[in-house]
Amino acid sequence: GEEVAQTPKHLVRGEGQKAKLYCAPIKGHSYVFWYQQVLKNEFKFLISFQNENVFDETGMPKERFSAKCLPNSPCSLEIQATKLEDSAVYFCASSQSHNEQFFGPGTRLTVL
Amino acid sequence: GENVEQHPSTLSVQEGDSAVIKCTYSDSASNYFPWYKQELGKGPQLIIDIRSNVGEKKDQRIAVTLNKTAKHFSLHITETQPEDSAVYFCAANDPGNQFYFGTGTSLTVIP
Repeated sequence: GEEVAQTPKHLVRGEGQKAKLYCAPIKGHSYVFWYQQVLKNEFKFLISFQNENVFDETGMPKERFSAKCLPNSPCSLEIQATKLEDSAVYFCASSQSHNEQFFGPGTRLTVL
Repeated sequence: GENVEQHPSTLSVQEGDSAVIKCTYSDSASNYFPWYKQELGKGPQLIIDIRSNVGEKKDQRIAVTLNKTAKHFSLHITETQPEDSAVYFCAANDPGNQFYFGTGTSLTVIP
């Protein structure tokens, strides 16, 4: 598609439950990025992919967070055993050249 | 790693006036500097960007300037309109191809 699509728009989970977020990059873009935005301002980089390969995962909290980009499927970000502090808006962005990044509308995760 | 600072955190201007938002970065090897506009409940939208081999870029009412020596870059919005009200983020792309974002500027344009 012409825009980055993210689903679901909102996700509510009880503490300790699993959360899975999806991202469909712009067609033809080979790079996908995940960011976490807390308190409306700070963007925290989580992970990036070049096609289905992890490009940079330096921002990922490895204990409970995992992500995949498989061929012919939306990319996914999964949080096992969610904690209250995981409540945030998670943005996906895609890029053709690893410079201009185009963002999706985000998934708001609320952990109760 | 790269560190991006952004000022001011909030900015109010009268409609028709200009708005300027400034960012500094720490890694002299950073080579790409985008600006994003984020409206309430939406994802950031790329509005203008500049690469390190250029000093200034303009697109209608929006311009960006880059001073590589001083390691700072600025967003200029002229003839502001109420629809320019949003949060603006600067970012710097380091050689490792990771984006580092500023902490955002909440711009309010008063009609």
